[in-house]
Amino acid sequence: DAKTTQPTSMDCAEGRAANLPCNHSTISGNEYVYWYRQIHSQGPQYIIHGLKNNETNEMASLIITEDRKSSTLILPHATLRDTAVYYCIVSHTGANSKLTFGKGITLSVRP
Amino acid sequence: EAGVAQSPRYKIIEKRQSVAFWCNPISGHATLYWYQQILGQGPKLLIQFQNNGVVDDSQLPKDRFSAERLKGVDSTLKIQPAKLEDSAVYLCASSLIGPGGYEQYFGPGTRLTVT
Repeated sequence: DAKTTQPTSMDCAEGRAANLPCNHSTISGNEYVYWYRQIHSQGPQYIIHGLKNNETNEMASLIITEDRKSSTLILPHATLRDTAVYYCIVSHTGANSKLTFGKGITLSVRP
Repeated sequence: EAGVAQSPRYKIIEKRQSVAFWCNPISGHATLYWYQQILGQGPKLLIQFQNNGVVDDSQLPKDRFSAERLKGVDSTLKIQPAKLEDSAVYLCASSLIGPGGYEQYFGPGTRLTVT
């Protein structure tokens, strides 16, 4: 599976959009981009995934560049409860895929 | 819908002792995963089951770790004997098979401290 690179940390103000970047320059054609988050002392939680098109659900939007070498997770109106570690993961098998977690990016939402 | 259940939530043992963790996945989820998460790192997959068969156990330290899912529902992960470096949170996750299986649902984890 391709490797991902994320900044170590970032912060944003409550109510503003949080844009979390991820680089995956070695992604192959059949690899999906997944985002999970982990709130302190909890198990990871699925957020969204995509292959090549932009995706949106009730939690977030996923923007994948046309060359698929990078993506951005957008939380449109961050709240204090969005403070967590966010993991960007690339996996080639889709459903029932093996997920390889990195260290993720720590998002701190400030009041 | 009930989530993934794990027990115990916390366990403290001495090195060389044995320990077992239990996981009950979401009803109807055929795929079950065990992860190890060391402090400050992301979770690492130890073993993946589909029904009661092993799909991937390439990162399971088989000299001391074992896992089973005998009836294709709940699962146990055992460590025998434990080492100091096994101190971690052990997470269980489950997913559906096939097109619905993109999302893994995680339990709260078991925090193991080996002294």
